[in-house]
Amino acid sequence: AQKITQTQPGMFVQEKEAVTLDCTYDTSDPSYGLFWYKQPSSGEMIFLIYQGSYDQQNATEGRYSLNFQKARKSANLVISASQLGDSAMYFCAMRAPSTDSWGKLQFGAGTQVVVTP
Amino acid sequence: EPEVTQTPSHQVTQMGQEVILRCVPISNHLYFYWYRQILGQKVEFLVSFYNNEISEKSEIFDDQFSVERPDGSNFTLKIRSTKLEDSAMYFCASSADRSGVDTIYFGEGSWLTVV
Repeated sequence: AQKITQTQPGMFVQEKEAVTLDCTYDTSDPSYGLFWYKQPSSGEMIFLIYQGSYDQQNATEGRYSLNFQKARKSANLVISASQLGDSAMYFCAMRAPSTDSWGKLQFGAGTQVVVTP
Repeated sequence: EPEVTQTPSHQVTQMGQEVILRCVPISNHLYFYWYRQILGQKVEFLVSFYNNEISEKSEIFDDQFSVERPDGSNFTLKIRSTKLEDSAMYFCASSADRSGVDTIYFGEGSWLTVV
């Protein structure tokens, strides 16, 4: 069975500092994708970054980078130079595209990030 | 940037009433999804749709739920007879293909409150 775990329910970070959000996963599929989404208090789900299991390099998108450690089955999100607007819930999600489950994302419980001035 | 749009943003309905949530996926996308998030809980997969048919559905997606792509642009979720426990944020999402590098984009969600 596939599983996504986010062990940090919430964290505070000071503006301009970097923050690492933990995500571990478990799957028997050799091919899978890992996603991070941001959900502000307004409720929308905003795509941040994607890492494929066969990607050789860690994904980066602006201030977001994904620390992908395949052997440890972890896909931590790093937000550099935090801004007040980064305050939100962050979800890690996994897609393991076997024949029956393409498109089905499994989400972690989320980590609430509060950025303080 | 292309986006998934959803209407209504918020709907309040009486228990037992039918509800239709509407979505316009990104125009060149081929795969469409509905997810839901009960307040304070995880985001849960409901159903995926490809080539005008359901490709997968979860246990949540029982006979009270149905999806349709009536006109080539809209993608709808119908709940036939709403229950209190259907109160949730419903997200529509779309993605392009099965390449493994495509991204699933979500809409802004539709809050459904059943009273």
